[in-house]
Amino acid sequence: GDSVTQMEGPVTLSEEAFLTINCTYTATGYPSLFWYVQYPGEGLQLLLKATKADDKGSNKGFEATYRKETTSFHLEKGSVQVSDSAVYFCALSETDKLIFGTGTRLQVFP
Amino acid sequence: GAGVSQSPSNKVTEKGKDVELRCDPISGHTALYWYRQSLGQGLEFLIYFQGNSAPDKSGLPSDRFSAERTGGSVSTLTIQRTQQEDSAVYLCASSLERMNTEAFFGQGTRLTVV
Repeated sequence: GDSVTQMEGPVTLSEEAFLTINCTYTATGYPSLFWYVQYPGEGLQLLLKATKADDKGSNKGFEATYRKETTSFHLEKGSVQVSDSAVYFCALSETDKLIFGTGTRLQVFP
Repeated sequence: GAGVSQSPSNKVTEKGKDVELRCDPISGHTALYWYRQSLGQGLEFLIYFQGNSAPDKSGLPSDRFSAERTGGSVSTLTIQRTQQEDSAVYLCASSLERMNTEAFFGQGTRLTVV
């Protein structure tokens, strides 16, 4: 079945460091891909998405490119801030439900 | 408010008791989803509603779990004869149509079975 694999955390970075969180997927068709973020004490919220191969989703300085050839959707940010500390979930949707990875906790220190 | 609302926010129950978890989706959203988030695990899909019908119940872990949706709006997830392994955060989400559009999540109900 469809699945999402993302790197385990926690990822610990200093402010202004470069961030990469790896995400790969397995799907039978052509899914849409998402990154959701869960800030402390808040519900999950959509960070960015891409619906077809080579699309780039971007929001709040974060980017991810839908790579069909490597079945990947890695999340990147050039310069992280303390306020980016959260749990990040990669997800795919092929039909009627989101399938999530296990989440990666990011901790950014000043 | 305009977001997805879940109640209660926290629930502690004794093993063997039944619990009901409630979800109020965003007005006008036809699709509604229940997920379970356990410590160290990802989000586990439980059930999906389109309107009042549930085309996909494949994620319900056992027959102790059931859910209904009435009036195309409020949904209730019921767990009968709770077990300790049911302890988790139960999340509800809604979207305008299907999951390819943005899904909006509630803050969840933290269920602890003692």
